Amino acid sequence: EIVLTQSPGTLSLSPGETATLSCRASETLKKNYLAWYQQKPGQAPRLLVYGASNRATGVADRFSASGSGTDFTLTITSLAPEDSALYFCQQHDSSLFTFGPGTRVEI
Amino acid sequence: EVQLVESGGGVVEPGGSLRLSCSASGFNFRTFSMNWVRQAPGRALEWIATVGLTPNYKTYRDSLKDRFSISRDDARNLVFLQINSLREDDSGKYYCTKDFGSVWGQGILVTVAS
Repeated sequence: EIVLTQSPGTLSLSPGETATLSCRASETLKKNYLAWYQQKPGQAPRLLVYGASNRATGVADRFSASGSGTDFTLTITSLAPEDSALYFCQQHDSSLFTFGPGTRVEI
Repeated sequence: EVQLVESGGGVVEPGGSLRLSCSASGFNFRTFSMNWVRQAPGRALEWIATVGLTPNYKTYRDSLKDRFSISRDDARNLVFLQINSLREDDSGKYYCTKDFGSVWGQGILVTVAS
């Protein structure tokens, strides 16, 4: 099983600042099938990024992602109050999918 | 509009069984793999199982494969999750997702308690 580690656990920032979230895989993702999700309280997760760096339809361009192999990053610029949420990474490179433990972003 | 709607959750006693259903609409269901993911209160997401395009392609989280069974009915655009020998730590919200997770249902709550 590929284990995903996310850091930091919690990020407390002010509006307008930039958030940088990290996701590290225990093995190389050969196809870079790494996705990022946003989850707000009481809601289902929402896909933000797929294939490590591709924004999903309708996602604001304040959200960008990069990385390959084992190290991946989600960056959120010009933070707004509505960006307060849990952010999860997920790999589907392996047939056994796994999620990271999440990073909580507080604005 | 692509939509996934889960049903079949509820309160069940430890040792009991439950069959969750997910009704899909708005896309060509038979051409996509489908998954179940769960989340205990305040906890991270946990992938449970995937059913592929062919009836026999199914993968499971190792720790759950003895009690969980995923299946699909392409004629009715449904995906199922059969859960047996339920335990209290199976409690949580269960989500149906399309392909790797591009679309999620709203989730259905399962509570295992005596």
